[in-house]
Amino acid sequence: NAGVTQTPKFQVLKTGQSMTLQCAQDMNHEYMSWYRQDPGMGLRLIHYSVGAGITDQGEVPNGYNVSRSTTEDFPLRLLSAAPSQTSVYFCASSYSSTGGWTEAFFGQGTRLTVV
Amino acid sequence: EDKVVQSPLSLVVHEGDTVTLNCSYEVTNFRSLLWYKQEKKAPTFLFMLTSSGIEKKSGRLSSILDKKELSSILNITATQTGDSAIYLCAVVRVQGAQKLVFGQGTRLTINP
Repeated sequence: NAGVTQTPKFQVLKTGQSMTLQCAQDMNHEYMSWYRQDPGMGLRLIHYSVGAGITDQGEVPNGYNVSRSTTEDFPLRLLSAAPSQTSVYFCASSYSSTGGWTEAFFGQGTRLTVV
Repeated sequence: EDKVVQSPLSLVVHEGDTVTLNCSYEVTNFRSLLWYKQEKKAPTFLFMLTSSGIEKKSGRLSSILDKKELSSILNITATQTGDSAIYLCAVVRVQGAQKLVFGQGTRLTINP
């Protein structure tokens, strides 16, 4: 049981490049989400999904795209990287998004630098 | 706008001291409050609080929620160097789907 797996762990991009951060969970969780963590700002929600085929925006969605074709996978796409997207990115998943909340389980994070 | 504020932002104490970390929130459609500990990588879950006035305990850590004051505290007694971490408070709000709103975190450093 791997939990939440994020790849890559580190990435350096040039401004304007695109890339996809991968996130997979093997706990059959319905709810998955992406956060970015910047110094002094806690974690901010980028996008989330309440189930396969359903996604929605969080607090800071601009410049990012997501899709949820399966329960297990929730990739985050950077369309045209900008230095302001330099951050640590976390994927998280949890049980049912409606009947009751359980704690979110986090991946190990991706440290992204845009130069 | 939903807001979760933690204080202090940074705290340095000596091993053996007791610390209290604070979290206050202004969140519509509140469901619960969670505490996480973040060392080098991913946040790890500590507590979830839903009912006011009920203390949750795990070893030297304890937490309580005050829904009237819209706040929570996390206490750590007899601190150890392994308690050094960033402690994150997050509030679950329900508006359609559930969302976590995080505070900025408190960076706790325990000196030997």
